[in-house]
Amino acid sequence: QSALTQPPSASGSPGQSVTISCTGTSSDIGGYYYVSWYQQHPGKAPKLMIYEVSERPSGVPDRFSGSKSGNTASLTVSGLQAEDEADYYCSSYAGSNSVVFGGGTKLTVL
Amino acid sequence: QVQLVESGGGVVQPGGSLRLSCAASGFTFSSSGMHWVRQAPGKGLEWVAFIRYHGSDKSYADSVKGRFTISRDNSKNTLYLQMSSLRAEDTAVYHCVLSPSGWRFDSWGQGTLVTVSS
Repeated sequence: QSALTQPPSASGSPGQSVTISCTGTSSDIGGYYYVSWYQQHPGKAPKLMIYEVSERPSGVPDRFSGSKSGNTASLTVSGLQAEDEADYYCSSYAGSNSVVFGGGTKLTVL
Repeated sequence: QVQLVESGGGVVQPGGSLRLSCAASGFTFSSSGMHWVRQAPGKGLEWVAFIRYHGSDKSYADSVKGRFTISRDNSKNTLYLQMSSLRAEDTAVYHCVLSPSGWRFDSWGQGTLVTVSS
C-alpha cells in the first residue's frame, strides 16, 4: 500500500492548461480503471472531480479531464480559473478491496 | 441530498480507544459501500477502511489493521469506526465517505478531529 506519486506543486496562468501526473505501479493504476481525482480547497472536504480514469460526475466542468497510460494517470485542467486553485489528489484501487492515494498537488493559478 | 455527519472525535492518550460515528441521510445507506478516509494536519489523504453494503466484507489499511474496526448499522443509517491502541500518528481528521459503486469517493462528510496526545 505505497502512496501514488504526484508532483508537490503545479501552476498556470488564467486561461492556460495544466496537467498533473499521478504515478503508481501495475498493482494499482496500471492494473485497474478505478482512478479518481479529488479537489480540496482549504478547510473543506475533498470533492470528486474525475472517476474511472476519465468520467466526470454531473456538475463538474468539462474543463477537467482525466487519462491514463500504463502506470501513470493524469488530470488536465483547461482554461484555468482562479477558483481552480486548490489541492488535487489522485486515488486508485489497489486490489484486495484497498485504495491508495497520491500525496497531493497544490495547484496555483498565477 | 447526501448528508454525512461524523461525531465522536476528541483528545485521547496514546494507547487509548475512541469510537467514531457517521450519521447518513439522503441516500439508500443499506445499499452503499462506505469508507473512512483520514487526513493528518497539513498532510494528504489516507484511506483507512472499507465496508460493503451488507457489512460482512471489510478491509483495512496496513497502518490500522488489527487496531481499528469498521462496522455499520443499516437500521440506524450509521457507520462506525472503533479505534484502539491509538498512536500519535493516528492524529487526523477522519472523514466518512460514500462509495455507491466502483472505488470512487462520491460524497464526503466534513470530518471529526482525533488528537492522540498525552
